Amino acid sequence: KAGVTQTPRYLIKTRGQQVTLSCSPISGHRSVSWYQQTPGQGLQFLFEYFSETQRNKGNFPGRFSGRQFSNSRSEMNVSTLELGDSALYLCASSFPQGALNTEAFFGQGTRLTVV
Amino acid sequence: DQQVKQNSPSLSVQEGRISILNCDYTNSMFDYFLWYKKYPAEGPTFLISISSIKDKNEDGRFTVFLNKSAKHLSLHIVPSQPGDSAVYFCAASATGGQNFVFGPGTRLSVLP
Repeated sequence: KAGVTQTPRYLIKTRGQQVTLSCSPISGHRSVSWYQQTPGQGLQFLFEYFSETQRNKGNFPGRFSGRQFSNSRSEMNVSTLELGDSALYLCASSFPQGALNTEAFFGQGTRLTVV
Repeated sequence: DQQVKQNSPSLSVQEGRISILNCDYTNSMFDYFLWYKKYPAEGPTFLISISSIKDKNEDGRFTVFLNKSAKHLSLHIVPSQPGDSAVYFCAASATGGQNFVFGPGTRLSVLP
């Protein structure tokens, strides 16, 4: 079974631009979450999508948005990029079973550099 | 305000000995805890989890202990191997939530 696939792996953008990152979850997984990892703040939760609906949201500005398609693939968009948005963006997929807890499996991440 | 803390930024252990990584949390709503291992430029790899209804969970060389009254959990790796050298993250969530809160990580070095 293929793992979580994130594209692209690396990206360089200029301040003020926007960027779209893509994530394909493990087959059968319906929940996709996004995280930002920076040296200063560690791994921080951005948002989670389940069945095309945003189910949870972290404490990030509105410039960060996402969506999920009917095949569970997800995209994350960051508009008006700032230097501080340079980070490793990680996508994780899971197969939530109602109220039961379940682990999340991560992709290799997209390294975004804003110059 | 860190809800999940890993107070040791780094740990060095001799190959074959036990590695003990610690994690503390402050949010009493957390009821599910996970450990992940991460190599540079890769995504975290799931290792082991524990629900708050248990106090111990084992999987091969990895054992996680949970002390709910102390809001403390630990990961034991026995025996430690050089390939275990990585950054270990503790994460927590509240019932059914996939919005995990991660600790800052502990860098484990297993010396041959």
